Amino acid sequence: QVQLVESGGGVVQPGGSLRLSCAASGFRFSAYGFHWVRQAPGKGLEWVAVIWDDGSNKYHADSVKGRFTISRDNSKNTLHLQMNSLRAEDTAVYYCATEGGQLAFLESWGQGTLVTVSS
Amino acid sequence: QSVLTQPPSVSAAPGQKVTISCSGSSSNIGNNYVSWYQQLPGTAPKLLVYENNKRPSGIPDRLSGSKSGTSATLDITGLQTGDEADYYCGTWDSSLSAYVFGTGTKVTVL
Repeated sequence: QVQLVESGGGVVQPGGSLRLSCAASGFRFSAYGFHWVRQAPGKGLEWVAVIWDDGSNKYHADSVKGRFTISRDNSKNTLHLQMNSLRAEDTAVYYCATEGGQLAFLESWGQGTLVTVSS
Repeated sequence: QSVLTQPPSVSAAPGQKVTISCSGSSSNIGNNYVSWYQQLPGTAPKLLVYENNKRPSGIPDRLSGSKSGTSATLDITGLQTGDEADYYCGTWDSSLSAYVFGTGTKVTVL
């Protein structure tokens, strides 16, 4: 069955960097696009970024554009989110999710990894 | 600031029906598919409805989605205590080139 496991979260100081990973198994990784979605404590869902199945196209939310970069390694069945210039408002649980098709829906979700930006 | 608006909360007694609305615009709901997600306390979101009104396998037909113009609706009939959760609508916004979520609705079973 589909399994997505995020890792790489932790505590980082403002201005610092962190790289999240999402290890996928149970399906053909290279056939799917992926999203990152985050949820600040006590808040709603906020979409972060999407990447096409072959990595040819990417979109990022305005709130992270220029600071975060989504990428993937199809040879390792792994999705990444490189986060630079982190701010307190980036504190959230970060989820990876499979793209259901035509940017229409997020099909399967991981359990999330917590990123805390604090001095 | 979400571009999709949902009521903060809805409630009903067990066995009754709740309706959750999701209001958007022509750049998102009006021209793209809508999906719905359930988030139980302390867990990851789960897909309930995709492409406006389709249910993934394992989702009961007590849950149904619909779309009309720039609004969408999720109906939950035969309400159960296990339905207490936060619910989010979502869709692609063609103007923003971004996926957008609704503000979220908390369902309470009285």
